[in-house]
Amino acid sequence: GAGVSQSPSNKVTEKGKDVELRCDPISGHTALYWYRQSLGQGLEFLIYFQGNSAPDKSGLPSDRFSAERTGGSVSTLTIQRTQQEDSAVYLCASSRKTGSPLHFGNGTRLTVT
Amino acid sequence: SQQGEEDPQALSIQEGENATMNCSYKTSINNLQWYRQNSGRGLVHLILIRSNEREKHSGRLRVTLDTSKKSSSLLITASRAADTASYFCATDGYSGGSNYKLTFGKGTLLTVNP
Repeated sequence: GAGVSQSPSNKVTEKGKDVELRCDPISGHTALYWYRQSLGQGLEFLIYFQGNSAPDKSGLPSDRFSAERTGGSVSTLTIQRTQQEDSAVYLCASSRKTGSPLHFGNGTRLTVT
Repeated sequence: SQQGEEDPQALSIQEGENATMNCSYKTSINNLQWYRQNSGRGLVHLILIRSNEREKHSGRLRVTLDTSKKSSSLLITASRAADTASYFCATDGYSGGSNYKLTFGKGTLLTVNP
C-alpha cells in the first residue's frame, strides 16, 4: 500500500515568508509525528498527534511554528516569517497506534535564503 | 536534550565483516527501536525491542538491551555494501501523562566498503 507522502519534496523560500508543509499519513494510522533534521544531525522532535489532538506541543521551536491535523488524516506544518535557521529537512511519520513502529515519509527539504 | 546517543558516530568496515553500533539512553523506557536512513530518504524501521526483552533477532540483525546499564547494541552480521546508511536508535516514553515522545539519537554513519 501507499506509504507516508510529504509535499513539497523541496521548498526554497525567502526569509520572512510563510511556508506550509503537508503530510499524508498511511490510511488508518492514528498517530502522526513531525521531526526536523538538520544536516548531519539527528532528529529533533517537533510535535505528535493522536487523532486530531496534539497532547505535546513542547517541541515546536517557537511560536512561528504551528501544526494541525484534520479528519485524523492529513497534517500541515506551518512556519511563519521563516528564518535562515529554519532550513532543514522536515520529516513526517505515522504509526498504527502510539508505541508502534513509525513509517516515515521522504521529507521536505526547506531552504530559507 | 537527546535521550539516545549512538556510538561510534562513524564506522567504516569491509564487506563481509560484522558491524556493531551502541546506544545509551538516560531515562526509563517502554521500548527501544532501531531505524536506518539512506542518504536523502526517510527513516526505515528495523527492529523493536521491549523493555522486558534482552535480545532479539531479525535476519542479519541482532539487538540486545540492557536496562540496568540503559544501553542497547545493534549487530549487523556479514555486512554488505547495501548496508551503508545511518543507523539511529529511538527510545519512547511518556511525560506529563499522555505526552508521548519518541526520541532519536544523532546516529551512526556506517560505511561498508566493497
